[in-house]
This record gives sequence, C-alpha cells and structure tokens, in this order.
Amino acid sequence: DIQMTQSPSSLSASVGDRVTITCRASQSISTYLNWYQEKPGKAPKLLIYGASSLQSGVPSRFRGSGSGTDFTLTISSLQPEDFATYYCQHSYNTPRTFGQGTKLEIK
Amino acid sequence: QVQLQESGPGLVKPSETLSLTCTVSGGGSISNYYWSWIRQPAGKGLEWIGRIYTNGNTNYNPSLKSRVTISVDTSKTQFSLKLSSVTAADTATYYCAREYGLGMATTQYYYYGMDVWGQGTTVTVSS
Repeated sequence: DIQMTQSPSSLSASVGDRVTITCRASQSISTYLNWYQEKPGKAPKLLIYGASSLQSGVPSRFRGSGSGTDFTLTISSLQPEDFATYYCQHSYNTPRTFGQGTKLEIK
Repeated sequence: QVQLQESGPGLVKPSETLSLTCTVSGGGSISNYYWSWIRQPAGKGLEWIGRIYTNGNTNYNPSLKSRVTISVDTSKTQFSLKLSSVTAADTATYYCAREYGLGMATTQYYYYGMDVWGQGTTVTVSS
C-alpha cells in the first residue's frame, strides 16, 4: 500500500493568511493526487484532482502542486469558510489511501 | 445533480454483519462509474474500504478484504456494503461516494477522484 503523510497535523492561521499543507507519498505517484476539505459533521469535498486541477466550483484561492512523491496545497488568502480539515489521497492504484489530515484552525 | 444517501442499522452487535446501502438519485445512469465506501472513526482520519464498478468488478482494502463484500444493483440504482465479524474497531461514520474519471492523465488513464459523497451514517458496534 502507498502511505500518505501530511504535515503539519494542525495549523493555526488568520483570515487573509496564505497557508501551505504538504503531502508526501511513500512512492512515486506521478500526479495522481487529490485534496479534500472536510468540515465537522459534513462529508469530505473534493477540491483538487490530478495534483493541480481545480474541481468545478472550487475557488481559485486553492492551488495544488507537485509530482512524484511531494505535493502541496496552498490557500492564497484564507477565508472564514476555509477553516476545516484537509486530506490528501492518492489515486495511483488501489487501495486508495488518505493522509492523516491537517486541521486548519483560526488563530 | 447526483445525490447519494446511506441507509442501514446504526447499531450492530459484535461478531455480526454490518450491512449498508447507498441509494443514488438525481438522474443519470449509475453505469460507468466506480462506487466506493469510505469510513471514519470519530475524531480520526478517512479509511478507504473498497469500490465496485458497474460491471461488478471490485477492489477492496487488503486490511478488510476477508470481511468485505460490495455489490451493486443497477436496476435499483443502489450499491451495498457488507462487513462481517464486526468488532468495536469497526465503529465509524460510513460514507458512500462516487469515484469518477475527472480528466485525462495520459491517453490511457484518467485522474480519478471521489466527487460526490453521501452525508454519512454512523454505525456503532456494541452489544
């Protein structure tokens, strides 16, 4: 199985800040990497697929980058609705695996 | 647009079989997609359980494979999860999701992502 490791596990930031979350795969996954946002009591929401493609309806302040084993999710200017938990997930093969999550909290 | 809704018992006894159904609504065909199950213990991360294609082909998480069966009923636009011999460790919120080829990675392969999710259903394993 491919292991996905996110850092940091939690992050405090303010509205308007630029934040970056990192995801590392245990082997090369090319650009088969997705990012999801999860809010309490809600299902995860797909933000980014193919490492850098924005899912329909997702604001352009979300940007994904990377290839191989190292990936980043950047939120350029945090909005109040962005405070949530973010997960990376690979789609290189099965089993699909997720990172452990990064909880983004208000400072 | 497509909506997914999980249904099934919220309480299952240890050693019994957990059975959940996901109903697909909102128009369109259930065919030519992957249909997935994911779970999340309270306060923890997401675990992929497995998926089924509408031709019946399945992929399971090796950690659960001996206990998992996913099936699909295209006539009812439903797919189902059965997890046998459950223990307290199987207590979680269970989500169903659609996995779809969202863009071309190469001339042969798509980028797949879980683009539609159910709201989740909490299952507790307890006597």
